[in-house]
Amino acid sequence: DTGVSQNPRHKITKRGQNVTFRCDPISEHNRLYWYRQTLGQGPEFLTYFQNEAQLEKSRLLSDRFSAERPKGSFSTLEIQRTEQGDSAMYLCASSLLAGGENEQFFGPGTRLTVL
Amino acid sequence: GENVEQHPSTLSVQEGDSAVIKCTYSDSASNYFPWYKQELGKRPQLIIDIRSNVGEKKDQRIAVTLNKTAKHFSLHITETQPEDSAVYFCAATSPGANSKLTFGKGITLSVRP
Repeated sequence: DTGVSQNPRHKITKRGQNVTFRCDPISEHNRLYWYRQTLGQGPEFLTYFQNEAQLEKSRLLSDRFSAERPKGSFSTLEIQRTEQGDSAMYLCASSLLAGGENEQFFGPGTRLTVL
Repeated sequence: GENVEQHPSTLSVQEGDSAVIKCTYSDSASNYFPWYKQELGKRPQLIIDIRSNVGEKKDQRIAVTLNKTAKHFSLHITETQPEDSAVYFCAATSPGANSKLTFGKGITLSVRP
């Protein structure tokens, strides 16, 4: 499968626990985005990497959230001390910065449920 | 920042009819407008997009039109089929926004057989 993949697909955790999600983008894509989607809403931007550099973070991203893309390939999103309000679908997307192209391709998402 | 709104929030059409979904945006600097289709429990899939240097783009049964002056763009689906039933999201981005997408809230399209 050459598309964007995410793991795990589902995560159930208790409030206060830490969770980590992984995203593997399309192999030649140098841009990687994290979005969060709640029921009945469109995806909301969380953070963005170009290669290994994290270039932008949304104000939605509290200091309990941290993301990395250590070698410019896969990325991880960690949420510390989870809260019930963190329950959502976390989507990863990747794109190729080349000649102004913007198409972002999404992964299947990780659905987080915080009990 | 950018604000994208979609109207209506739900749309029901008879199979074979056309469907039109409209979006408005606020940032005049926005220059890229994709449309995503999301089926229940699945990832958003890019179905068509348009850049600000063109007014219309077609791909088989789907088309997108852009009115930069009025800051709105629309998705047109002709000869709708039951498998077109899904949630459709419009989005916008600008060069100064690192291409991060601002999405509308989505519209649920139901195609009645």
